Amino acid sequence: SYVLTQPPSVSVAPGKTARITCGGNNIGSKSVHWYQQKPGQAPVLVIYYDSDRPSGIPERFSGSNSGNTATLTISRVEAGDEADYYCQVWDSSSDLNWVFGGGTKLTVL
Amino acid sequence: QVQLVQSGSELKKPGASVKVSCKASGYTFTSYAMNWVRQAPGQGLEWMGWINTNTGNPTYAQGFTGRFVFSLDTSVSTAYLQISSLKAEDTAVYYCAKDLETMVRGVIIPEPFDYWGQGTLVTVSS
Repeated sequence: SYVLTQPPSVSVAPGKTARITCGGNNIGSKSVHWYQQKPGQAPVLVIYYDSDRPSGIPERFSGSNSGNTATLTISRVEAGDEADYYCQVWDSSSDLNWVFGGGTKLTVL
Repeated sequence: QVQLVQSGSELKKPGASVKVSCKASGYTFTSYAMNWVRQAPGQGLEWMGWINTNTGNPTYAQGFTGRFVFSLDTSVSTAYLQISSLKAEDTAVYYCAKDLETMVRGVIIPEPFDYWGQGTLVTVSS
């Protein structure tokens, strides 16, 4: 089955740029979606189809995907961005299956 | 506005069953697939499967066959997750989540999840 690898944690100072990676075999050939989950809340879609932003998501959130790594970039990080972030892809190779990465805890210093 | 409202927390004993509901509003219920996602305490997200809200046909991910059943009541725009023979390891928050785009001619096309229920905590403990 397809495996997505995320760093367990990323730390960034307010106002700086955070980059959260999602690694997978030839992930660049797949569409990647990203979710933000704050403690005690349901996940929220922040980026879909690699780089599209749902309405209501700040332009500070952007995404890219190439080769074996997809990246969620959060510019001008704010305290309110502190959350867990999950990447997601559809695995059509073996079992038809949605796959999530293990999640990355973003800490705003 | 789109809303998915789930039923409240449940405390069950091992071996019992539980049924979680997810009531949808603000969109055409039978046009979008409904997904179920599990999150064990302190753990990540795990896709359990989806149900075709047009045909009622469920698809279960590996690890969620046998004791897990997805169902619908389209008359009240509600999806259900039933878990039987509960085990301690079923303790988790269960989410329903709607697909971003509609099914195409009644067929589910994998889409990201744009709206989620608030989650239902199921605790299995003797």
